[in-house]
Amino acid sequence: GDSVTQTEGLVTVTEGLPVKLNCTYQTTYLTIAFFWYVQYLNEAPQVLLKSSTDNKRTEHQGFHATLHKSSSSFHLQKSSAQLSDSALYYCAYTGKLIFGLGTTLQVQP
Amino acid sequence: GALVYQYPRRTICKSGTSMRMECQAVGFQATSVAWYRQSPQKTFELIALSTVNSAIKYEQNFTQEKFPISHPNLSFSSMTVLNAYLEDRGLYLCGARGQSSYEQYFGPGTRLTVL
Repeated sequence: GDSVTQTEGLVTVTEGLPVKLNCTYQTTYLTIAFFWYVQYLNEAPQVLLKSSTDNKRTEHQGFHATLHKSSSSFHLQKSSAQLSDSALYYCAYTGKLIFGLGTTLQVQP
Repeated sequence: GALVYQYPRRTICKSGTSMRMECQAVGFQATSVAWYRQSPQKTFELIALSTVNSAIKYEQNFTQEKFPISHPNLSFSSMTVLNAYLEDRGLYLCGARGQSSYEQYFGPGTRLTVL
């Protein structure tokens, strides 16, 4: 069936170090777009990154992700985590927007 | 820019009663509106997807009898939680999508507390 898998429920990283949040998917849709949503405390989720092009890197606010259809992945990475990056991150794709379970990123000083 | 408003932002209802929440898209024509529930455990559940000129499609475990939705035009949608119980508590999010983008814009959500 259609699903998104985020393997880590919680990722803790020290400020200044790189971080990677994993996302893999399973879908029967032919035309799809992928998103990373970020949700800060007591706020609604907002789009951080989006992509529909295979093997093309997309970047925003220091984060980057590359859609790899061959491996059904859309991992989120940042080379240097900041304290303000602490939030809940969701990987999702559409047609019908399917969310992963989310990964909480905690950046420690 | 594209904005989605939801109201009320917070509501408390007694167990067994019903409450209605509204979603309004501003700055774009919402060709589809999706209602989600984010549980206290933070997982997202798609309740239903409403597309212009199509019937509202409910996901498994959600029914029209429990969550009736009205989508009268391209800017407005409302959903009612009938006979709310503890398991219905959570943050109800409305996501609207325009004609020219896959991107779904979310409102701030309506947080439902059931006593």
